[in-house]
Amino acid sequence: EAQVTQNPRYLITVTGKKLTVTCSQNMNHEYMSWYRQDPGLGLRQIYYSMNVEVTDKGDVPEGYKVSRKEKRNFPLILESPSPNQTSLYFCASSRTGNVEDQPQHFGDGTRLSIL
Amino acid sequence: AQKITQTQPGMFVQEKEAVTLDCTYDTSDQSYGLFWYKQPSSGEMIFLIYQGSYDEQNATEGRYSLNFQKARKSANLVISASQLGDSAMYFCAMREAPPTGANSKLTFGKGITLSVRP
Repeated sequence: EAQVTQNPRYLITVTGKKLTVTCSQNMNHEYMSWYRQDPGLGLRQIYYSMNVEVTDKGDVPEGYKVSRKEKRNFPLILESPSPNQTSLYFCASSRTGNVEDQPQHFGDGTRLSIL
Repeated sequence: AQKITQTQPGMFVQEKEAVTLDCTYDTSDQSYGLFWYKQPSSGEMIFLIYQGSYDEQNATEGRYSLNFQKARKSANLVISASQLGDSAMYFCAMREAPPTGANSKLTFGKGITLSVRP
């Protein structure tokens, strides 16, 4: 089954404790992306990757890091989490970054609470 | 200016009736894609329907259809024969055609809450 898998689904942690949210896709997609969702703001892109070893900032990259060492994995790293990073996070992938290669497939989301 | 505008704060519809969820967009690109996603209370994002800017016919997927009016820059979602399970948040999104090698992100609207009444 084609899917994007995120872990963990839920996490409550404290300020400053480094955490990683994993994302893996089994569709051999080149393009992967992270979004955060906050009430009244819709989804906003954090980082994206056009292919292995190619990553770049989205609209709200501050406080986040990513890596793309393998095609299937795109982890999101919070080196020193703060309460304003409490949010619902989604990983997504598509075959390429082209408009025609739709849709983006989303993971089930990770709900992070930073106390 | 917002790229995707969804102004309806919340919608109610009677079960088995049709409902239209509004979406307007803003782009200067000739090539772009328009999407609708459903987010139930459980939180996952479910792809519903896609319309390419060059598609001449309105997209349809089962009970979902997209009323695409290019000149007005609107891409309204029509759900026919509403079901209780359609109660959810609905997001309109756009993917523009960037220069080669640039990001092709989805830009989302703020969403519309749909409640289906029995």
